[in-house]
Amino acid sequence: KNQVEQSPQSLIILEGKNCTLQCNYTVSPFSNLRWYKQDTGRGPVSLTIMTFSENTKSNGRYTATLDADTKQSSLHITASQLSDSASYICVVSARSGGYNKLIFGAGTRLAVHP
Amino acid sequence: DTEVTQTPKHLVMGMTNKKSLKCEQHMGHRAMYWYKQKAKKPPELMFVYSYEKLSINESVPSRFSPECPNSSLLNLHLHALQPEDSALYLCASSHDRDRVSYEQYFGPGTRLTVT
Repeated sequence: KNQVEQSPQSLIILEGKNCTLQCNYTVSPFSNLRWYKQDTGRGPVSLTIMTFSENTKSNGRYTATLDADTKQSSLHITASQLSDSASYICVVSARSGGYNKLIFGAGTRLAVHP
Repeated sequence: DTEVTQTPKHLVMGMTNKKSLKCEQHMGHRAMYWYKQKAKKPPELMFVYSYEKLSINESVPSRFSPECPNSSLLNLHLHALQPEDSALYLCASSHDRDRVSYEQYFGPGTRLTVT
């Protein structure tokens, strides 16, 4: 069964600190992995998208890693800001029925406190 | 312009009402999607349109009826909904349905409450 698991479920950090969110997946056949940021009551916004051949991808203070062998990904946030408070969703794309279906993780809810 | 717009932002409807959700994109994308998201849960795929034709229906009840009038517009017609249908409804679009590296752009969502 295709699954995407994220940890931790929630996280509280102080402004300016770094944090790392984890994503493990059992998805086959794998197409790509992306991280989305979702503010409460809003649509997800893409942070990074990586294919199996990419190990690291950065977008400003966000750096995603992918280990296709162990089927693990992480999202590292550097020098957190209050505006980073949101849910971070790991999404793996699987080839299914002739198209790329997105398998969503449950997300990590990050709260950045002053 | 990488924006997907959705209207209305909020909708409250009774179980006997008929209403519609609207989604629009002008990125030239040929695939459009409807998702349903309950609180603190990930989005669940409902429908996929590819080149204005319905290609995926994830066993969604018939009280939800999608429509794609043209390549830029996607509607979701609602009729005889149940309170458990209350959720955030997200629209998304992508270049097409099948490219491996495609990016899905999400709209801000419509917060639906069924009373």
